[in-house]
Amino acid sequence: DTGVSQDPRHKITKRGQNVTFRCDPISEHNRLYWYRQTLGQGPEFLTYFQNEAQLEKSRLLSDRFSAERPKGSFSTLEIQRTEQGDSAMYLCASSLVGENSPLHFGNGTRLTVT
Amino acid sequence: QKEVEQNSGPLSVPEGAIASLNCTYSDRGSQSFFWYRQYSGKSPELIMSIYSNGDKEDGRFTAQLNKASQYVSLLIRDSQPSDSATYLCAPGEGYALNFGKGTSLLVTP
Repeated sequence: DTGVSQDPRHKITKRGQNVTFRCDPISEHNRLYWYRQTLGQGPEFLTYFQNEAQLEKSRLLSDRFSAERPKGSFSTLEIQRTEQGDSAMYLCASSLVGENSPLHFGNGTRLTVT
Repeated sequence: QKEVEQNSGPLSVPEGAIASLNCTYSDRGSQSFFWYRQYSGKSPELIMSIYSNGDKEDGRFTAQLNKASQYVSLLIRDSQPSDSATYLCAPGEGYALNFGKGTSLLVTP
């Protein structure tokens, strides 16, 4: 169990650029989640997958955000035409299916949009 | 969507005291709960899970679940400065949960 891995750890980009983040979950976990967190707030749910299927997406999520998990293993989160308000920590978590399965978080990707 | 409420604090306790963190939840169907600790600038890490009514102890930590009253609590005995962090509670299958701000705990030497 190597834990949840996220790449990159930090990303600085200029407004209007596209960025893509990667998450590698714990290998036997079939659920994968993306959250966003800004200073002083708790993690805000963005979307989650069960295997390769994207089962839920936050209604607050702009259509500039898209996530994929093509083979049910790693996932990518892309933000198009970044805005300064997108600056945040992007957290990935994974879990097994079931009520008794906690989330295991990666170290996050910190995005700064200048 | 499952929701929880926590007092955002900060809760300040002296070193060696008992810190008591509380969380209420809206979904009567929730069967299990998890407590996560998040240090500033770091990601949340699981510290306790509880699956049934009553108390569960793990070292200095005790989680308490009361389904009738829909609350879950975390007690930290012999609080240490290293316990200073934000504590988040979440129900199982709460994947769509926005965690809320959690409770900020400050243990003073």
